Amino acid sequence: GAVVSQHPSWVICKSGTSVKIECRSLDFQATTMFWYRQFPKQSLMLMATSNEGSKATYEQGVEKDKFLINHASLTLSTLTVTSAHPEDSSFYICSSRGPSGRANEQFFGPGTRLTVL
Amino acid sequence: AQTVTQSQPEMSVQEAETVTLSCTYDTSESDYYLFWYKQPPSRQMILVIRQEAYKQQNATENRFSVNFQKAAKSFSLKISDSQLGDAAMYFCAYRRTNTGNQFYFGTGTSLTVIP
Repeated sequence: GAVVSQHPSWVICKSGTSVKIECRSLDFQATTMFWYRQFPKQSLMLMATSNEGSKATYEQGVEKDKFLINHASLTLSTLTVTSAHPEDSSFYICSSRGPSGRANEQFFGPGTRLTVL
Repeated sequence: AQTVTQSQPEMSVQEAETVTLSCTYDTSESDYYLFWYKQPPSRQMILVIRQEAYKQQNATENRFSVNFQKAAKSFSLKISDSQLGDAAMYFCAYRRTNTGNQFYFGTGTSLTVIP
């Protein structure tokens, strides 16, 4: 149980376009989800915390107007990279707070590799 | 933000041998959680082991065990009988208990298993 999926797994886009990444909890309700960014051979950097039915909380230095987060249901959070530029190319990982009994854990999606040309 | 430090960017171990990965953290809180995650080449993060700070007993999961030294703020991972499938990046993570559920990750240790 506690499976998290991400879609797409890999996306290439042109500079200036917007890209939406979906994060879904498949077998449990996720009231809180997290979005991370990971550069090659580096650690996961928390970008924002996504709460169902309310505005996301962004970490310091993350542009909320560039990285739009929507958590409209208990099983889906989306990250939209607006007006993407090559420096936005990275690996984006979402995670979810675990279900009841495992709420102290996070369950991670498989990640999305974004390449901006 | 909490600081989690992994001082070993790379480690290697002979197959079937034992290896220990180091992690230290900085916090003023008394209650928290610590985790070790594994990230293989697929990039999928996999939970290896977790430790509650209020528990004195070190957590163990099959071949994986931790040495939790609360006073020293140290949380090392020992992998026994290393297998080729253990090769991956290993991240130590800290989670606060009183606000949100944010995790703070260390910089990672790349583990190579030599056949």
